[in-house]
Amino acid sequence: QLQLQESGPGLARPSETLSLTCSVSGDSISRNGYYWAWIRQPPGKGLEFIASIYYRGGIGSPYYNPSLKSRVTIFVDRSERQVSVTLKSLTAADTALYFCARANNDWYFFDTWGQGTQVTVAS
Amino acid sequence: QTVVTQEPSFSVSPGGTVTLTCGLNSDSVSTSYYPSWYRQTPGQAPRTLIYSTSTRSSGVPDRYSGSILGNKAALTITGAQADDESDYYCVLYMGSGISVFGGGTKLTVL
Repeated sequence: QLQLQESGPGLARPSETLSLTCSVSGDSISRNGYYWAWIRQPPGKGLEFIASIYYRGGIGSPYYNPSLKSRVTIFVDRSERQVSVTLKSLTAADTALYFCARANNDWYFFDTWGQGTQVTVAS
Repeated sequence: QTVVTQEPSFSVSPGGTVTLTCGLNSDSVSTSYYPSWYRQTPGQAPRTLIYSTSTRSSGVPDRYSGSILGNKAALTITGAQADDESDYYCVLYMGSGISVFGGGTKLTVL
């Protein structure tokens, strides 16, 4: 059974770079028919797509929310067991619950979600 | 800028029927946008309800149905129960791996 587990620092400083990891178990990141995404939710607000990545044959093809593109990088680590995202130049507006999710490549929906990791940006 | 619109809030009586909608500022919503719907309790992970406009995800009761109504995607809940009280989000697929979430609808059952 697929399980996604996000992890991160909890607290990050303004202007710094945030690194988050999604550990994938029970399935292969390179499995045909799926891709992987990061989504966030600021306190009391709605969900926001951050980025997604298709990973095949050791090569990742990333896609980004245009409003975040200049600050975000999504990648699959060498072990091919984790999907990570970095977000640079942090501000308080990046405070959010960050989710990773698996997306179905036939119907373009998020079929499995992690529980999320809370990130607070504060000095 | 692409904006996906949802009613901020809605209320329904127990046993009643409610239809939540999902629009797009720059176009009519069609099946080509692969509308999907999720429900979420604050602080928890979203749960997938509907994908590809009208297909129910595994384990979702048939009280939930999805459709296209006019120029919007729609989620209809029939026989509303107290347990349906939640936040509901629609997502539209824009192509090239990019999805856009609606702002969410807070559904109250009272």
